[in-house]
Amino acid sequence: TAGITQAPTSQILAAGRSMTLRCTQDMRHNAMYWYRQDLGLGLRLIHYSNTAGTTGKGEVPDGYSVSRANTDDFPLTLASAVPSQTSVYFCASSDSRQAPYNEQFFGPGTRLTVL
Amino acid sequence: AQSVTQPDIHITVSEGASLELRCNYSYGATPYLFWYVQSPGQGLQLLLKYFSGDTLVQGIKGFEAEFKRSQSSFNLRKPSVHWSDAAEYFCAVVGGYNKLIFGAGTRLAVHP
Repeated sequence: TAGITQAPTSQILAAGRSMTLRCTQDMRHNAMYWYRQDLGLGLRLIHYSNTAGTTGKGEVPDGYSVSRANTDDFPLTLASAVPSQTSVYFCASSDSRQAPYNEQFFGPGTRLTVL
Repeated sequence: AQSVTQPDIHITVSEGASLELRCNYSYGATPYLFWYVQSPGQGLQLLLKYFSGDTLVQGIKGFEAEFKRSQSSFNLRKPSVHWSDAAEYFCAVVGGYNKLIFGAGTRLAVHP
């Protein structure tokens, strides 16, 4: 199985343009997450979804939107990119229904540069 | 609010030497704790996790970690480091709604 795939691998984007980062998982996990990784800050949660049809805001949601139309896909959209959104973006998934907690599996990441 | 602190940004050790990476957490209840490793250009891989029970947990690649409630710590150790262990290591705690809260990471360099 592929686990979690992300596309594109990397992207250079002009400020003001929009972009959607794609994330697909084949593990039938109910929960999915988007993180951004910045030097010295670790990974910070942008948005999450506990099940298809629902989403929630994480620690740093401003400037980002997500949707969860089905179990497998969780795209992240930047409506109007700004240079501060230059980062590496990781998608993750977990079966959060398993008690007490089930680990999150991470995709390979998307490196985004906004100029 | 929950938080994770990794005091060491960079650590350099010689191959074959022992390693300890520090992690301190802030959490009111019994924490669920994790260590992840990220090799250059790669995603995160789970090394080990602590939920309850034995406070010394074994992970993959010869790593172990010890949960010490009195010190709010979950330090990662390895008795003998290999050059392939050079990577960035993240400690994390489960916050509300099953979300992970990460530390800033410790970058490990290994000298031959």
